[in-house]
Amino acid sequence: KAGVTQTPRYLIKTRGQQVTLSCSPISGHRSVSWYQQTPGQGLQFLFEYFSETQRNKGNFPGRFSGRQFSNSRSEMNVSTLELGDSALYLCASSFPEETQYFGPGTRLLVL
Amino acid sequence: GDSVTQMEGPVTLSEEAFLTINCTYTATGYPSLFWYVQYPGEGLQLLLKATKADDKGSNKGFEATYRKETTSFHLEKGSVQVSDSAVYFCALSETRGNNRLAFGKGNQVVVIP
Repeated sequence: KAGVTQTPRYLIKTRGQQVTLSCSPISGHRSVSWYQQTPGQGLQFLFEYFSETQRNKGNFPGRFSGRQFSNSRSEMNVSTLELGDSALYLCASSFPEETQYFGPGTRLLVL
Repeated sequence: GDSVTQMEGPVTLSEEAFLTINCTYTATGYPSLFWYVQYPGEGLQLLLKATKADDKGSNKGFEATYRKETTSFHLEKGSVQVSDSAVYFCALSETRGNNRLAFGKGNQVVVIP
């Protein structure tokens, strides 16, 4: 069974731009969660989507948003990028709850 | 809110040594507990989990026991290998129906041949 896939793996953007990251969950998994990993703050929960609905949300500004499609694939969007948004963004999927399986992440660098 | 605390600092040890990484948690309910491992340049891999008190999770020689009385979930391995060098994260999932994981800061483990 294929694991969680994330695209792209690496991104370089400049301040003020926006970015969209994609996550394809393990086949059959309906929950997708997003996390931000930085050296200073560690791993922080962004949000979770289940059956195309946002079920949980972390403490991030409204510039961070997401969505889930009917095939459970998910995207997250960050608008008006700031230098502090540079991070590894991890996606995790589960069916339907408890154990989460993570993808390799998208490394975003904001210049 | 719920939180996880891991011991401070990296852990450096020789091959075949005994490894312990401490993890304690604060939770209002009955969380599930996890250990994840992250190798350089990769995402997180589930190492083991426990869903109720006194459960022991084990995988690849690693073990951790869910201790409700001490709110702990310490990770242990009897004989480490160079290939165990990685960052180890303790995490909890607050309640059923909630996929929000709270993570500890992680511990860098370096195993020297």
